[in-house]
Amino acid sequence: GAVVSQHPSWVICKSGTSVKIECRSLDFQATTMFWYRQFPKQSLMLMATSNEGSKATYEQGVEKDKFLINHASLTLSTLTVTSAHPEDSSFYICSARPPQGAGYGYTFGSGTRLTVV
Amino acid sequence: DQQVKQNSPSLSVQEGRISILNCDYTNSMFDYFLWYKKYPAEGPTFLISISSIKDKNEDGRFTVFLNKSAKHLSLHIVPSQPGDSAVYFCAASEYPGNTGKLIFGQGTTLQVKP
Repeated sequence: GAVVSQHPSWVICKSGTSVKIECRSLDFQATTMFWYRQFPKQSLMLMATSNEGSKATYEQGVEKDKFLINHASLTLSTLTVTSAHPEDSSFYICSARPPQGAGYGYTFGSGTRLTVV
Repeated sequence: DQQVKQNSPSLSVQEGRISILNCDYTNSMFDYFLWYKKYPAEGPTFLISISSIKDKNEDGRFTVFLNKSAKHLSLHIVPSQPGDSAVYFCAASEYPGNTGKLIFGQGTTLQVKP
C-alpha cells in the first residue's frame, strides 16, 4: 500500500531556533503534498499545499515566512518552522495522495510532535 | 466558518453493537468524503470514502452513507470492537476533480466497551 514517512516523530527545540520536518512518499510519486497542524483535542487544519517544483500554496492566516515549505522532488516535501516560539508547539502531519486506484484515500504520515521551550 | 462538522465529541457503545458517527457539511461543492481513524500522536488512517455520485459505500464492518440533500454523512461500524476505540474524523474534498485539499471535522471519540 501507499506509505508516507514523516521524520522526526517528535522534536524539542529552543525558542528562536528552526526545525525541519521531512515528509516522504515511499512507494509512489507525489507532485502534491499537504501539511496539516493539529492542536490538542482539535481538528486537523490544513496549513499549506506543497507543489513539486513550484511555490507552496498557503491557507489564509498561515505565515509563509514562518512555515517554509520546499518540495524539491517527487517524493520529498519539507516543512521548516523558522524562529520557533512556544505557540508553534503542535502536532504537524503531512499527507499525499497516491495515484487513483490505490484506494483513493489520502495517506498521512505518522506526524511530528513539536515542542518549543 | 466550520464547513465540516461533527457535532458529537464522543460516543460510547457496547462491543458487538452498532456505532454510528455523524458528520454534516455546508459546502455544496464538496464532491468526495472520507473517514479517518486516529490515535493520539499518530497520523490519521484512512478507513473508507464515498463519492458524491453514490449514497452508500461498504467495506467490511464499515459503511458510509451520504445524504446530499441533507448535506449529511454517517459512518456505521457493525459490529463494534474494542479495537475500534479511537478518534474518527470525517473529511471532505473541496473541489470537483479533487485537488487533494481536505477539510476535516472536529472529530468524534469513539469508545467501545467490552
